[in-house]
Amino acid sequence: ELKVEQNPLFLSMQEGKNYTIYCNYSTTSDRLYWYRQDPGKSLESLFVLLSNGAVKQEGRLMASLDTKARLSTLHITAAVHDLSATYFCAVRTLEYGNKLVFGAGTILRVKS
Amino acid sequence: DGGITQSPKYLFRKEGQNVTLSCEQNLNHDAMYWYRQDPGQGLRLIYYSQIVNDFQKGDIAEGYSVSREKKESFPLTVTSAQKNPTAFYLCASSSGTSGSGETQYFGPGTRLLVL
Repeated sequence: ELKVEQNPLFLSMQEGKNYTIYCNYSTTSDRLYWYRQDPGKSLESLFVLLSNGAVKQEGRLMASLDTKARLSTLHITAAVHDLSATYFCAVRTLEYGNKLVFGAGTILRVKS
Repeated sequence: DGGITQSPKYLFRKEGQNVTLSCEQNLNHDAMYWYRQDPGQGLRLIYYSQIVNDFQKGDIAEGYSVSREKKESFPLTVTSAQKNPTAFYLCASSSGTSGSGETQYFGPGTRLLVL
């Protein structure tokens, strides 16, 4: 059974600082997704990572994937208040279809 | 505008009552999904459908039912057998073509509360 673990689960950081969110998964998978959720809102797709060594960047967020280590990272550079949200990673299982298994989410609070 | 719509935004259920949550998409996606999100937790898959007239149980299907009679629509019924239905319900769809990475796109959600 595929398990996905994120850490930290809560992150409070100052504006302008850098930090990394980690996503570990337990079995082989072929793709990994990062989503953002604002309070009370739905999920917004950020990145999809399809291969070992894949790196995607959008603004102050950069995601990477190491399939051998079964690890993805979401790096935040020079955080700003607007990045405050909950970030989820989700891993596609190879068992059937396009089933995703989600991590518990990382709540990010950026303080001015 | 292409997208996924869910209705209602809020839904109140009385004990013993069945309620149906609507999900419609105009993205021409083949696959559709229902997830449940409890406070402070990730998403758990209830049901999914890869094609019209076919659907499979996810991890927490007990107490729920679905239908997929049209490509655009995937309604979820929360039956009286679901003893703890209070949650945020999210519908998603994906194209099913590998070129897009099969990203799942989410609707705005329905918040279900028990009276």
